[in-house]
Amino acid sequence: KNEVEQSPQNLTAQEGEFITINCSYSVGISALHWLQQHPGGGIVSLFMLSSGKKKHGRLIATINIQEKHSSLHITASHPRDSAVYICAVRRGRDSYGKLTFGQGTILTVHP
Amino acid sequence: NAGVTQTPKFRVLKTGQSMTLLCAQDMNHEYMYWYRQDPGMGLRLIHYSVGEGTTAKGEVPDGYNVSRLKKQNFLLGLESAAPSQTSVYFCASSDRDMNTGELFFGEGSRLTVL
Repeated sequence: KNEVEQSPQNLTAQEGEFITINCSYSVGISALHWLQQHPGGGIVSLFMLSSGKKKHGRLIATINIQEKHSSLHITASHPRDSAVYICAVRRGRDSYGKLTFGQGTILTVHP
Repeated sequence: NAGVTQTPKFRVLKTGQSMTLLCAQDMNHEYMYWYRQDPGMGLRLIHYSVGEGTTAKGEVPDGYNVSRLKKQNFLLGLESAAPSQTSVYFCASSDRDMNTGELFFGEGSRLTVL
């Protein structure tokens, strides 16, 4: 079993729908990252969380440390949100680059 | 402000050839990393650096060497390329501040070894 599991692996939505991507992990962490990767493109960091909730535009990320679970929500989804969303966890406070990555969730938003 | 820049973006090599990937960041970040991304494997850390003149092995270091002679540059070298090193390589950097730790990625370098 992977230390970081994302669900669903694939997600298709219609424009305007509310989307949730989940990330569960089995190790102790100091932080969790949500990343976005467009097809053939680079990787963009969306959020870094160590507790609570963060919001940026239509994106909301939450984390529950006790339950070892994080969610990424997209409100009013748009075709340009189509991308792979990757959850990654940082274990120790000195483990800056030593992230354990989930397999990614492929999101397709249709107009 | 260019962020993190990788060169080259694409390269095709023959088995046994050598090459160097260059990563440059203009954010004065202390930490820099090289990852590889393969289908079904996710991103894996090859080597990383916590400051100028320092490097350390990551998860999959074999077949690669790195150097951080200048703070802004992190070089990844393949001395004798193998088909198993066909991959997309990403460089990233982060500030050493624990309160941020946000990662900034380059756009990737697609390497094919024939």
